[in-house]
Amino acid sequence: GAVVSQHPSWVICKSGTSVKIECRSLDFQATTMFWYRQFPKQSLMLMATSNEGSKATYEQGVEKDKFLINHASLTLSTLTVTSAHPEDSSFYICSASRGTGGFGYGYTFGSGTRLTVV
Amino acid sequence: DAKTTQPPSMDCAEGRAANLPCNHSTISGNEYVYWYRQIHSQGPQYIIHGLKNNETNEMASLIITEDRKSSTLILPHATLRDTAVYYCIVRLQGGSEKLVFGKGMKLTVNP
Repeated sequence: GAVVSQHPSWVICKSGTSVKIECRSLDFQATTMFWYRQFPKQSLMLMATSNEGSKATYEQGVEKDKFLINHASLTLSTLTVTSAHPEDSSFYICSASRGTGGFGYGYTFGSGTRLTVV
Repeated sequence: DAKTTQPPSMDCAEGRAANLPCNHSTISGNEYVYWYRQIHSQGPQYIIHGLKNNETNEMASLIITEDRKSSTLILPHATLRDTAVYYCIVRLQGGSEKLVFGKGMKLTVNP
């Protein structure tokens, strides 16, 4: 149980275009989802927290107008990188939480999306 | 900022126990210790977590010192597939609490 599916696994896009990444919880309802970015040989950096039906909370330094997050249902959150530039090339990872109620296993992570902007 | 410190890397021989240390001297009474690992180009994988008692599951054992200022993750019989970056994280239990990753520790299991 507790599977998170992330698509696409990799994407190459032209500079200036937008890219959407999907994160789905397949067998549970995710009240909270998190989006991370990871540059080569670095750790995961939290970008934002999204709760179903409300606006995402962005970490300091993350541009909310550039990284649009939508969490419209309890099983789906999307991250859209708008007007992508080469410096946005990175590994993007989502994670999902079942919420409170004694779920102690932490969060389940997607397999990540490798974004390359050319 | 991450509340834990780990050595940057460690090597282990295949089939031997791997003991991965973590310091969390500022941990508060209601914070748990979580361990995740990340194999290259994949999402992190949950390993184990604990509050103050030692814990064991099918993957590993977690030993937390009595003062809770440090812990050790034990992989009893390391395999080549255990080569990964291991992250020790402290956080409150709860579904909306952020999971903040530090630099982690690269474990290399050698044949």
